[in-house]
Amino acid sequence: DGGITQSPKYLFRKEGQNVTLSCEQNLNHDAMYWYRQDPGQGLRLIYYSQIVNDFQKGDIAEGYSVSREKKESFPLTVTSAQKNPTAFYLCASSGGAGGDTQYFGPGTRLTVL
Amino acid sequence: GEDVEQSLFLSVREGDSSVINCTYTDSSSTYLYWYKQEPGAGLQLLTYIFSNMDMKQDQRLTVLLNKKDKHLSLRIADTQTGDSAIYFCAESPTSGNTPLVFGKGTRLSVIA
Repeated sequence: DGGITQSPKYLFRKEGQNVTLSCEQNLNHDAMYWYRQDPGQGLRLIYYSQIVNDFQKGDIAEGYSVSREKKESFPLTVTSAQKNPTAFYLCASSGGAGGDTQYFGPGTRLTVL
Repeated sequence: GEDVEQSLFLSVREGDSSVINCTYTDSSSTYLYWYKQEPGAGLQLLTYIFSNMDMKQDQRLTVLLNKKDKHLSLRIADTQTGDSAIYFCAESPTSGNTPLVFGKGTRLSVIA
């Protein structure tokens, strides 16, 4: 069954802690993306990676970090430097026959207590 | 830079047609997309249209593209309560796995 998985679905974090959100895809896509969605808001791009071992900042990269050591995986770390991290985080991937078409995971809801 | 605009809300009665509109700015967009997001879920690709097409139909969904006016619309025929969701328009401004540019989404409410 091909697709994109994100874990966990819900995540709670205390202020001042770093936390890592997982994103895995088995679609053999070269590119992967992280977005943040706040209530009633659209999607804001955090980071994206077009190929393994390379990534670019999006519109709101401050307070976040990523790595792309494997084609299948693109974890996002929300650091303590992110002032307002409570949000819904979406991961997507694209590539292959689909071209630029992005396919999304189910999302992770992060709440800072 | 690229920008995609959508109205934020639309309310229709069950059984009526819904039309969700979108305008974009990049005339070199190759593909334009419609995604659906249900509460607490990720975005689901509904349909897309290549920029050299005027119309695409897929069951209850009809996409119209007016490239001259940079206007895209999604028509949902016989709208059902299960169609209640947020609908995002997106453009692909260049090729090569670059990020799509998304609108802020239109929240469709279907009244029974």
